[in-house]
Amino acid sequence: DTGVSQDPRHKITKRGQNVTFRCDPISEHNRLYWYRQTLGQGPEFLTYFQNEAQLEKSRLLSDRFSAERPKGSFSTLEIQRTEQGDSAMYLCASRAGLADEGEQFFGPGTRLTVL
Amino acid sequence: RKEVEQDPGPFNVPEGATVAFNCTYSNSASQSFFWYRQDCRKEPKLLMSVYSSGNEDGRFTAQLNRASQYISLLIRDSKLSDSATYLCAGTSGTYKYIFGTGTRLKVLA
Repeated sequence: DTGVSQDPRHKITKRGQNVTFRCDPISEHNRLYWYRQTLGQGPEFLTYFQNEAQLEKSRLLSDRFSAERPKGSFSTLEIQRTEQGDSAMYLCASRAGLADEGEQFFGPGTRLTVL
Repeated sequence: RKEVEQDPGPFNVPEGATVAFNCTYSNSASQSFFWYRQDCRKEPKLLMSVYSSGNEDGRFTAQLNRASQYISLLIRDSKLSDSATYLCAGTSGTYKYIFGTGTRLKVLA
């Protein structure tokens, strides 16, 4: 499978626990995005990497959220001290190229439920 | 005002009908637009890109109206399998994408 992959697909955790999600983009894609999506809403931008550099982080991300892409390939998104409001689908997307235009391709998402 | 806005629907149409959705955007600097299809509890899948005036792919036609700042998606001869949520997205700045809330379509037998 040469598409974007995400792991785990589902995560149930108790409030206050830390969780980490992984995204493996399409191999030649240097741009990687994280989004959060809740029911009835479109994907909301969280953060963006170009290669290993994190170029933007949304103000939606509190300091409990951190993302890395250490070697410019896979990325991780960590949420510390989870809250019930963090329950959502976390989507990763990647795209190729240096141009500002271009299609993004999404992974299957990680569905987080915080009890 | 949201940067990208869509009518959430649902649009309930009979099989074989033609249906059109609009998506308005507020950032006049947006260069590229996209329509994604999202099935329930699945990830968005790219349906069409709209870089200039429009794009057509089989039963689907997307058009861009820069003067009025909207893009549209037309689906002809609707199939039951077209039932899904249709998300529009536009670029914001040099790399960011802003999504609308999506429009739900239900095609009825």
